[in-house]
Amino acid sequence: EAQVTQNPRYLITVTGKKLTVTCSQNMNHEYMSWYRQDPGLGLRQIYYSMNVEVTDKGDVPEGYKVSRKEKRNFPLILESPSPNQTSLYFCASSLVGHSRDTQYFGPGTRLTVL
Amino acid sequence: GDSVTQMEGPVTLSEEAFLTINCTYTATGYPSLFWYVQYPGEGLQLLLKATKADDKGSNKGFEATYRKETTSFHLEKGSVQVSDSAVYFCALSPTTGNTPLVFGKGTRLSVIA
Repeated sequence: EAQVTQNPRYLITVTGKKLTVTCSQNMNHEYMSWYRQDPGLGLRQIYYSMNVEVTDKGDVPEGYKVSRKEKRNFPLILESPSPNQTSLYFCASSLVGHSRDTQYFGPGTRLTVL
Repeated sequence: GDSVTQMEGPVTLSEEAFLTINCTYTATGYPSLFWYVQYPGEGLQLLLKATKADDKGSNKGFEATYRKETTSFHLEKGSVQVSDSAVYFCALSPTTGNTPLVFGKGTRLSVIA
């Protein structure tokens, strides 16, 4: 089944404790991205990647890192999480990142930073 | 910059009622337009899309027409069901590649039997 998977689905952590949220897709997509969803703000892009070893900042990249060492995986790293990063995070992928491409979303990771 | 404005919810309808969720956009060029749906506890999934003016996207009884003259992409369904209860997001993808989807803030729809 074609899908985007994320782990963990739920995470509660404390300020400053490094964490990684994994994202994997099995559709051989070149384009992957991370969004955060906050009430009243909709979805905002954090980082995206056009292909292996090619990443770039989205609208809200501060406090986040990403890497793209393999085509299927695109982990999101919070080196020193803070309470304002409490949010619902979605990973997404699409074929090549063309404007007409459909993006496929993972199920989401709900992060709480205390 | 590019933006999407959609009607605020929540919207509550009775089963079999007609649904309209308004969406207007601001963008240069000819963006692609999308409606995504988020069911409770799940990620977003594509509902329908249109990639050029006057295109009509349709799926599961939902329709939306890309109207460039009014910069709109309103979502409609003739008869909603309880299973349509979800959050609906209008989004645009700018003409130039490598730029993110721009989402509206979402409209929560509740359909009651």
